[in-house]
Amino acid sequence: DTAVSQTPKYLVTQMGNDKSIKCEQNLGHDTMYWYKQDSKKFLKIMFSYNNKELIINETVPNRFSPKSPDKAHLNLHINSLELGDSAVYFCASRSRGSDNEQFFGPGTRLTVL
Amino acid sequence: AQSVTQLGSHVSVSEGALVLLRCNYSSSVPPYLFWYVQYPNQGLQLLLKYTSAATLVKGINGFEAEFKKSETSFHLTKPSAHMSDAAEYFCAVSSNFGNEKLTFGTGTRLTIIP
Repeated sequence: DTAVSQTPKYLVTQMGNDKSIKCEQNLGHDTMYWYKQDSKKFLKIMFSYNNKELIINETVPNRFSPKSPDKAHLNLHINSLELGDSAVYFCASRSRGSDNEQFFGPGTRLTVL
Repeated sequence: AQSVTQLGSHVSVSEGALVLLRCNYSSSVPPYLFWYVQYPNQGLQLLLKYTSAATLVKGINGFEAEFKKSETSFHLTKPSAHMSDAAEYFCAVSSNFGNEKLTFGTGTRLTIIP
């Protein structure tokens, strides 16, 4: 009965490859987010979707493309991976009228070699 | 634009001692404020939140925080530290309307000395 789940938990890949991270929430929330946590633990918003519609795109390189097939899923596809993409990526979700309380997934640690 | 400053990237306290983690925010609109905790290799868990109701907010695990508008602060406290409190703590701010992303501080690593 996990609330926000992400797969995979760990992802190790070579520079130049394309990879995807999946996120699912079973909370019935309308809004989902992707955050990036760098090696210094700094967390920054990347994208936000509300009911499958892109709401926030924080100047992320267009190699990153979020996809929301339905409001319970927000996947992140990354093309032409670079060393600097190594980070922990967190998915989060929020319900309407929740005072913006966001529920976070366990994270996906991406390592680009 | 909104921002959060967490003073002290590392804080060490003895078991049983007071925990005080500092957070100052900047916001041009009334803010919502949050404290999240991250245990090693885990996601973020909400400790408590301020959403313009009571200025003293109580959260889980005995933590509380006080919103002080005049000082633009939202410091996190716990009267008596426990070994299980060792973790990374993040303060975050969002607006209460419109763009509702969370803007995080740089985090404070709390170490508990036995």
